[in-house]
Amino acid sequence: GIQVEQSPPDLILQEGANSTLRCNFSDSVNNLQWFHQNPWGQLINLFYIPSGTKQNGRLSATTVATERYSLLYISSSQTTDSGVYFCAVPHTGGFKTIFGAGTRLFVKA
Amino acid sequence: NAGVTQTPKFRVLKTGQSMTLLCAQDMNHEYMYWYRQDPGMGLRLIHYSVGEGTTAKGEVPDGYNVSRLKKQNFLLGLESAAPSQTSVYFCASTLLGSDTQYFGPGTRLTVL
Repeated sequence: GIQVEQSPPDLILQEGANSTLRCNFSDSVNNLQWFHQNPWGQLINLFYIPSGTKQNGRLSATTVATERYSLLYISSSQTTDSGVYFCAVPHTGGFKTIFGAGTRLFVKA
Repeated sequence: NAGVTQTPKFRVLKTGQSMTLLCAQDMNHEYMYWYRQDPGMGLRLIHYSVGEGTTAKGEVPDGYNVSRLKKQNFLLGLESAAPSQTSVYFCASTLLGSDTQYFGPGTRLTVL
């Protein structure tokens, strides 16, 4: 089945810094999602981005489907950005979703 | 509109005990999913349902059963709990034709 790899596994930032998180996937996909899991465990959908670039405030995401990767950019990071960021792609057959292992982000005040 | 809710939020079981986790959504979503999340790993799909009365196996279905008797509810059962089932369980739902999954708050289960 499709493999999803995220890097880096851990990231520590000073508040105000920018960062880029990467998601590589092993096969062609027609859907990719980025999620944020906050320190209380809540999962929030950030982007649905099968291709191209989207922006939402300080966050933006770019997926290059032909090269099988997606990037999540966080600008001017805040302590509330801390948590784990997951990317997820559909398994072959559509209904199942395969998650990467996540990037754990800690933003220091 | 409560979104996706899960009960209970926490539970401790002894090996061999049984229990049922309840997921409810009030968004009239067709698709519902049960995932487990273990330390250092992403979410893994246990079972899913594409509509009332239908269920299917995900990546890690062994030791679990599910039922979708009503469109708004998706139940996850453990017939004989094992320590390997200690995990955080998330339910999610999706509207037909959409790819956006909405997640519940999770249930933290410990099996001793």
